[in-house]
Amino acid sequence: DADVTQTPRNRITKTGKRIMLECSQTKGHDRMYWYRQDPGLGLQLIYYSFDVKDINKGEISDGYSVSRQAQAKFSLSLESAIPNQTALYFCATSANPGQGSVDTQYFGPGTRLTVL
Amino acid sequence: SQQGEEDPQALSIQEGENATMNCSYKTSINNLQWYRQNSGRGLVHLILIRSNEREKHSGRLRVTLDTSKKSSSLLITASRAADTASYFCATDDSGGSEKLVFGKGTKLTVNP
Repeated sequence: DADVTQTPRNRITKTGKRIMLECSQTKGHDRMYWYRQDPGLGLQLIYYSFDVKDINKGEISDGYSVSRQAQAKFSLSLESAIPNQTALYFCATSANPGQGSVDTQYFGPGTRLTVL
Repeated sequence: SQQGEEDPQALSIQEGENATMNCSYKTSINNLQWYRQNSGRGLVHLILIRSNEREKHSGRLRVTLDTSKKSSSLLITASRAADTASYFCATDDSGGSEKLVFGKGTKLTVNP
């Protein structure tokens, strides 16, 4: 079984709808991240969480919200989807290496979201 | 803000040739990481190199880091068609926020 899973894998929705993307991990990591990727671009960080009680905004958090339901689960919501939120969305996890550093990140397979 | 920038944006080579991709960044780092992404799929970690390391190897991959020039290179030797993918460098945020910042990637095509 995959260590980091995302559901759904593909979603087509309409403008104004509320959408939830879910991420689960079995790696036992405290840190979880949500990224967005647009064609030809790198990854942009939406939100991240270093433990169950910790939620932090990334570079592009407007229009998104998250929930860390448990160590293993981190959900991303689009409260009112708009067409420019059409993108690939990735969840990732990492361990905490300490000393203010960043460890290897493990990515899920991605969710392809289309907002019409 | 974009920290790492890869060069070239795209690279096309023949099987068996070596592929070199470069990454430049702007501020001090703790470590630099390289990831591979097959079309439309999740990123896969390749190598992490720390700021006090100059070179690291993993199989056919060789990564160098020059902190004085704020640059890194990824060399893939004896490339194979299966190496066709996009390659991203990622650096930690020197401000200590413990996040990774990704570049836009180099798209590598290895022709059989």
